[in-house]
Amino acid sequence: GESVGLHLPTLSVQEGDNSIINCAYSNSASDYFIWYKQESGKGPQFIIDIRSNMDKRQGQRVTVLLNKTVKHLSLQIAATQPGDSAVYFCAENYSTIQGAQKLVFGQGTRLTINP
Amino acid sequence: KAGVTQTPRYLIKTRGQQVTLSCSPISGHRSVSWYQQTPGQGLQFLFEYFSETQRNKGNFPGRFSGRQFSNSRSEMNVSTLELGDSALYLCASSKGWASGNQETQYFGPGTRLLVL
Repeated sequence: GESVGLHLPTLSVQEGDNSIINCAYSNSASDYFIWYKQESGKGPQFIIDIRSNMDKRQGQRVTVLLNKTVKHLSLQIAATQPGDSAVYFCAENYSTIQGAQKLVFGQGTRLTINP
Repeated sequence: KAGVTQTPRYLIKTRGQQVTLSCSPISGHRSVSWYQQTPGQGLQFLFEYFSETQRNKGNFPGRFSGRQFSNSRSEMNVSTLELGDSALYLCASSKGWASGNQETQYFGPGTRLLVL
């Protein structure tokens, strides 16, 4: 079925530490995944994406890892800052050959950065 | 480049009423998708429009409908509102090429709807 889930609903880390947020997906045919960050009162903000022909992608302070064997995604945030406190969602992009798009989201993980 | 804009930002309605929400995509984006976000169900896909045509639809009742205009702006309508329709309604846009390319969707700030 269509489902993308997260292992942990909340995560607290100390400022400056690294954090890892995990996500499981169910559709083995999925080939595009996105991580979004949502701050209170705002819409989801794109962080980083990865396609299924890759197993790792790096951005500024963020790294996404994809393990297709176990259908698992993770988002690593290095040297966390107070502004990283937010809810993080993984999303699986379903697209048809005609181009129709649909995102299936995980439940979200609330990340809190402690000073 | 301006982001996705949604109006209004907040709405209060009563049961049985109907509501129309508006979304203006990023300039040049032709695909607009709508999502409902609630604490219990999370983020759920409502529908996607491209070139004024609905290309994809989620599992929502027929009370939820939408449309897209020639300038790619989109509206969604909910008729006969129920208490359970209280949610944050999010609009996202992408370039929306006609082929099955994977594209990033960029979200607006949402419209928070409260049904009393």
